[in-house]
Amino acid sequence: GAVVSQHPSRVICKSGTSVKIECRSLDFQATTMFWYRQFPKQSLMLMATSNEGSKATYEQGVEKDKFLINHASLTLSTLTVTSAHPEDSSFYICSARPHLLAGGTDTQYFGPGTRLTVL
Amino acid sequence: QKEVEQDPGPLSVPEGAIVSLNCTYSNSAFQYFMWYRQYSRKGPELLMYTYSSGNKEDGRFTAQVDKSSKYISLFIRDSQPSDSATYLCAMSASGNFNKFYFGSGTKLNVKP
Repeated sequence: GAVVSQHPSRVICKSGTSVKIECRSLDFQATTMFWYRQFPKQSLMLMATSNEGSKATYEQGVEKDKFLINHASLTLSTLTVTSAHPEDSSFYICSARPHLLAGGTDTQYFGPGTRLTVL
Repeated sequence: QKEVEQDPGPLSVPEGAIVSLNCTYSNSAFQYFMWYRQYSRKGPELLMYTYSSGNKEDGRFTAQVDKSSKYISLFIRDSQPSDSATYLCAMSASGNFNKFYFGSGTKLNVKP
C-alpha cells in the first residue's frame, strides 16, 4: 500500500516551453501533497505544499507564477513548470501525506521523481 | 541552527557490519519520526516510522527515538551492498498541516 506515482519519469524539452508533471496517490487519499526539487548529491528542497481545494503555499524564493501547482482532488496534484529554462533542469519529486483523521500515520510517501532537462 | 542535523557522511562499512545513522533536532514539539532510504535518481522510500519515543524493529532495521536528548537513530544489522544509499531522517509535530523537516541525508556505502 501507500503508493505514489509520478508521470512522466523523464522529460526533455526546449527552452521556453511548459512542462506538466502529475503526482497521484494510488491507494490512499492525500489531503496534502508536497513538491520537492533535488539537485545532484544534495538533499530535498521543499518547493511548495498543496492542500486539496486550496491554493498552494510556496516556500521562500520559489516563484509561484513559474511553478504552477494544482491540487484538483485528493489523489492528484500537478506541477507545471512554465517557460522552462536550462536552470530549471532538476529532479522533481512529489510526496503525499495521508489524512490523519482517517487513521493514517503522519508521514509522507514519495513518488519516484521526474527528471527534467531543459535544452 | 537547523531544525534537524544529520551528518552527510559518506559512511563506508564492510558487508555484515552494524550501521548506526543519527539525527539530532531542536524542536521539542516533534512527535513523528521517519527514516527514508533514497537510491540514486529515485524518490525516497519510507523505511521506518515511529511515533513519540521508543524503539521500533523491522527485520534488519531498528529505529530509536530519545526525545529527552532530541536524538534519533537508525540501526542496520548485517548490512548488505544493497543497503548502499542515502538515508534521510524526517520529523514533524502533531497536527494535519504542520511541516515536515528533513535531515540533509547520510550517504552509506556498504563494501562487499
